[in-house]
Amino acid sequence: AQSVTQPDIHITVSEGASLELRCNYSYGATPYLFWYVQSPGQGLQLLLKYFSGDTLVQGIKGFEAEFKRSQSAFNLRKPSVHWSDAAEYFCAVGEGDKIIFGKGTRLHILP
Amino acid sequence: GAVVSQHPSRVICKSGTSVKIECRSLDFQATTMFWYRQFPKQSLMLMATSNEGSKATYEQGVEKDKFLINHASLTLSTLTVTSAHPEDSSFYICSAPGQIPYEQYFGPGTRLTVT
Repeated sequence: AQSVTQPDIHITVSEGASLELRCNYSYGATPYLFWYVQSPGQGLQLLLKYFSGDTLVQGIKGFEAEFKRSQSAFNLRKPSVHWSDAAEYFCAVGEGDKIIFGKGTRLHILP
Repeated sequence: GAVVSQHPSRVICKSGTSVKIECRSLDFQATTMFWYRQFPKQSLMLMATSNEGSKATYEQGVEKDKFLINHASLTLSTLTVTSAHPEDSSFYICSAPGQIPYEQYFGPGTRLTVT
């Protein structure tokens, strides 16, 4: 079975600073990878996904992620965070007809 | 984009009672819907897949008789937690698939507290 590891439970960055959220996966073949954001009172929203092709994928809200097969990594990045980016972020991998989620990283933004 | 709603957003019930959570696809039809459970500081765990017109498919370890799922129409799936206990307190989230592989539209979730 596939799994997803998000090693950081909490991350705190200052507004305007750059952000990187880590994600590692375990899967033998090329995985289907996702990043979701969960804000209070709102459903999970897909930020971006990787299926194949260019390993650097652009998403919504200025986020990007890079698929690094050699490191089994799919880290999420943003060059300059905004206070509204404070939320829970989930990395996920597709398996069969299901999505397997990591435990999430809570992002805190300092003013 | 496609919208999925859940009702109620929060519910408090007494131990031993049953509570129903509704999941609706507002502007599209869904023959399948997914039900997840999320514990605090934990991942979303898939509980079951509801199928319109047939029985739900439950994940291993999920009690079918406790978590009753009904997919009554192409826009409505319900999860009923029967004889609820405090350990059933959790955040329940539903989703409906989109057109492309692994695309899912998530509802805002329902916070269940059993006292």
